[in-house]
Amino acid sequence: QKEVEQDPGPLSVPEGAIVSLNCTYSNSAFQYFMWYRQYSRKGPELLMYTYSSGNKEDGRFTAQVDKSSKYISLFIRDSQPSDSATYLCAFNTNAGKSTFGDGTTLTVKP
Amino acid sequence: DADVTQTPRNRITKTGKRIMLECSQTKGHDRMYWYRQDPGLGLRLIYYSFDVKDINKGEISDGYSVSRQAQAKFSLSLESAIPNQTALYFCATSESRQGLIGTDTQYFGPGTRLTVL
Repeated sequence: QKEVEQDPGPLSVPEGAIVSLNCTYSNSAFQYFMWYRQYSRKGPELLMYTYSSGNKEDGRFTAQVDKSSKYISLFIRDSQPSDSATYLCAFNTNAGKSTFGDGTTLTVKP
Repeated sequence: DADVTQTPRNRITKTGKRIMLECSQTKGHDRMYWYRQDPGLGLRLIYYSFDVKDINKGEISDGYSVSRQAQAKFSLSLESAIPNQTALYFCATSESRQGLIGTDTQYFGPGTRLTVL
């Protein structure tokens, strides 16, 4: 069984929609939770970072962590065409390495 | 200028050839990583290095080797390339937030698209 399962997508939504991206994990040692965004033909870049259960908001983006259910989500409000990308969840243990989900490709149509 | 650079950006080679992919960074980070990305398989760790004298295998190191020439340089070699090594390869660096191990977030290069015929 994989340590990380990410909703596979692809996901296509109209501009202005609320988007929900989700990952589950099985490794209880994961302590740090991240979302990366990867545009086509580019390397991933960090979008959100958190280490506690609950919600963390940054503009139109909200990262949600539920450690008891081993579930994390990324919400995008008022989605824009510029949000079209692949989103990767990532997890760190105290050892410092990251484990990535397979990614969900999002397309926001004008 | 980009903080993490990779050369070449694209490479087409033949089965059995030796290939080297190079990564340089100006971020001053001690930690460097090599990943490959395949459609539907996400990012898989090949090798990582937490400092110049520290090299570690990742989950898919067979068929690959690395060299950490300096803090800023980390090279990946395919000793005898085979077609199933066709993939997008990323180099990344990281630092721990406030010195706390585990809080690393990674900074990726632009990738090298490798095709092995």
